[in-house]
Order: sequence, then C-alpha cells, then structure tokens
Amino acid sequence: DGGITQSPKYLFRKEGQNVTLSCEQNLNHDAMYWYRQDPGQGLRLIYYSQIVNDFQKGDIAEGYSVSREKKESFPLTVTSAQKNPTAFYLCASTKTGGLNGYTFGSGTRLTVV
Amino acid sequence: DAKTTQPPSMDCAEGRAANLPCNHSTISGNEYVYWYRQIHSQGPQYIIHGLKNNETNEMASLIITEDRKSSTLILPHATLRDTAVYYCIVSKTSYDKVIFGPGTSLSVIP
Repeated sequence: DGGITQSPKYLFRKEGQNVTLSCEQNLNHDAMYWYRQDPGQGLRLIYYSQIVNDFQKGDIAEGYSVSREKKESFPLTVTSAQKNPTAFYLCASTKTGGLNGYTFGSGTRLTVV
Repeated sequence: DAKTTQPPSMDCAEGRAANLPCNHSTISGNEYVYWYRQIHSQGPQYIIHGLKNNETNEMASLIITEDRKSSTLILPHATLRDTAVYYCIVSKTSYDKVIFGPGTSLSVIP
C-alpha cells in the first residue's frame, strides 16, 4: 500500500546533539513538508520542497536543515542550534496540482534531555 | 496567521450529528476549503474539501455558505472514534504550503 513513513516513532537525544528524522513516501508525490507541533498547538511549517534538489524555509526554519536528493525522501535534521527541539514532528506530501489534500505520516516524537 | 477561525472546543453526544463551524471571511475566489482531523498523537487525516458547492463523501459533508465566508463540517452520526482535533484550512490547491491553526477539539460523549 502507498503511504508516507516516518521513523522512528519516538526519539530521545541529549542536548547539543544533532538528530535526523526520516520521512519516506511511495505515493509518487512531488511536494513534501515538515511541520512541528507543540502540545495543544496547531502545526507550524518548518521546511517544504516542491521538487527534487530544491526546498524553501517555512515559518520556523531556524535550527533545522533538510535535503531533497530523491523524490521519495525528505529527511529533517534538528541541529544543536534549535533552542527548544522537544516536539512532535510531522511529515506530509502531496501531488503537484492535486486537490485531495496532504497525506501525513504518523509523526516522530522527539525528546531532548 | 491562519486564515480561518474555529471554536477551540465542542462536545457532541454519540450518535448525534456533529456540526463544526469555520469562518474564512478573507477567502479568495480560487481558494478551496479543506478539512482535516487529528486523532491524539497521530498525523492529521484529510477529510474533505470544496470550492463553493456542498460536498459529501463517506466520512462527512461540507456545507459552504453562498458568500463562501464560512463553512460547516458535518459528521452525521458521531462515534467515540470521531473524538479528535478538526482543522479547517483554505488553500488554492493542496500543493500550496498551508497554515494549520489550533483547530476545534471535538469530544464525542457516550
């Protein structure tokens, strides 16, 4: 079945360490997105990519980095420069020109101690 | 800021219709209304979208006012599994980056 996979589901890291969150989709979607969600809050856009080898900053890109070397993959690195990285991270994808909404992964809950 | 306004929370009795309102008074002519829901600790799930006509699918119905400044998502027979946060979004296509506000937390009560 087609879908979008985020791994791992839970991630613990020590403060000051970089960590990379995986997002893979086999839906042949062109665009991919990373959102951050804090408790009781909506989703805030970190980065998005509408084509391979190109990506744009969202509203809260500071302290994060991404790459889009393959259509299927859009990994997110949370760097030590991110002041408050503990959050729920969601990856989404959609097809260019599509109208049927985003497909989301099941999320990665990152805890930095 | 999100381009939509939703009540922060609502309750609904199990088996009754849940009517979730959304205001989008600044919507432009080529923007669609999308609805998603997020069950606790999961990724949001697309429910339905519409431009100006009412829409229905196996999950819900979407009623858009004639002036398109507001809409209502209807879950015809709410079940406990419908307890979730519901997000109303406006977007030209799902390809655009979209802003998710805090949504409406719907509690279905036995």
